[in-house]
Amino acid sequence: ETGVTQSPTHLIKTRGQQVTLRCSSQSGHNTVSWYQQALGQGPQFIFQYYREEENGRGNFPPRFSGLQFPNYSSELNVNALELDDSALYLCASSFDSSGTSGYNEQFFGPGTRLTVL
Amino acid sequence: AQSVTQPDIHITVSEGASLELRCNYSYGATPYLFWYVQSPGQGLQLLLKYFSGDTLVQGIKGFEAEFKRSQSSFNLRKPSVHWSDAAEYFCAVSPPFGGNNRKLIWGLGTSLAVNP
Repeated sequence: ETGVTQSPTHLIKTRGQQVTLRCSSQSGHNTVSWYQQALGQGPQFIFQYYREEENGRGNFPPRFSGLQFPNYSSELNVNALELDDSALYLCASSFDSSGTSGYNEQFFGPGTRLTVL
Repeated sequence: AQSVTQPDIHITVSEGASLELRCNYSYGATPYLFWYVQSPGQGLQLLLKYFSGDTLVQGIKGFEAEFKRSQSSFNLRKPSVHWSDAAEYFCAVSPPFGGNNRKLIWGLGTSLAVNP
């Protein structure tokens, strides 16, 4: 069973640029959640995708957007990068049979470390 | 507002000593409760969770946690710490219902150092 993988591992961008982060969910999982973890902080929920549709969103501006593909892998896109976007971005996958459950265990990838200069 | 508080930012214990990491939450109803561990360069790993029932839950790696409704707490314990337990520990909560609020809400974490 393959776990959650994320790419790239590290990324350096400059202010104003755009970035795409990728996540492959664990085999059999249909739900992907994205989190932002700033240095010394706990993760902050960005959004969740269930069966290719956004299924909940945290307090992040529209320049944070995402996609989920038919194979349940996912992308996180961030436009107009700001210095404060520097963080570890975590992807977590889970299996949700109905799209309304709040308790399915989420399995996390190792994250992508984004640095914005 | 919904929140999770981990009062201890950093804790150092000696190997073999007991450990207790504190977690308090503020929520309208009893949420689902979780403890995760994060080691450098690795993803977050679920140690244990509480949904309902027995308030003392057992997890992996010899950890346990006790839910106390009256104190809105979910403290993590381990009777004897191993050097490999050095990591960042996060308490998190999730709403006990579905809908558009299925996100995990996290504490700031407690960094655990273990002295030989």
